[in-house]
Amino acid sequence: GDSVIQMQGQVTLSENDFLFINCTYSTTGYPTLFWYVQYSGEGPQLLLQVTTANNKGSSRGFEATYDKGTTSFHLQKTSVQEIDSAVYYCAMRVTGGLSGKLTFGEGTQVTVIS
Amino acid sequence: EAGVTQSPRYAVLQEGQAVSFWCDPISGHDTLYWYQQPRDQGPQLLVYFRDEAVIDNSQLPSDRFSAVRPKGTNSTLKIQSAKQGDTATYLCASSPRGEQYFGPGTRLTVL
Repeated sequence: GDSVIQMQGQVTLSENDFLFINCTYSTTGYPTLFWYVQYSGEGPQLLLQVTTANNKGSSRGFEATYDKGTTSFHLQKTSVQEIDSAVYYCAMRVTGGLSGKLTFGEGTQVTVIS
Repeated sequence: EAGVTQSPRYAVLQEGQAVSFWCDPISGHDTLYWYQQPRDQGPQLLVYFRDEAVIDNSQLPSDRFSAVRPKGTNSTLKIQSAKQGDTATYLCASSPRGEQYFGPGTRLTVL
């Protein structure tokens, strides 16, 4: 079945540090890949969408890239701030079949200290 | 534009009790999802609707969970006889056939 693996459970950084989170995915279909951010007490919010056609996406200083060869996609930010502290999830939607279903990774808790 | 609203925000039950969660999606969104998010895990799809029709309920424990969306707008998720393993946040999301917009969730604790 479809799966998304997100290995980094927790990341602690200082302000202005570089953030990098990696996910790998597995599917026999055509994936669209997403990064969601979840702040405490709230539902997930879409941060970025990356299609396999464009390989990259960017929003709010974050950039996502996709590597079809290794079936992985990454989220990065050059200089994190304390307000970036949240849980970040990678997710995948496979077109065709039961389209619309999102498969999430386990999440990465990012803590940025000043 | 109002976002997805859910109620209640919190629920605490004893094992064996029943509970219902209510979701009001964004107006005009034809697709509605229910996810279960255990503590420190990613959301996992339970069921989703397009209008009033169930599209996928393969992950819904059918012996105790049920979900309806009778008029294709609001939806209710019900747990008939809660177990401690049901402790989680229950998220509702809606979509106009693209991006999913999530509500704040209902945090359920089963003692």
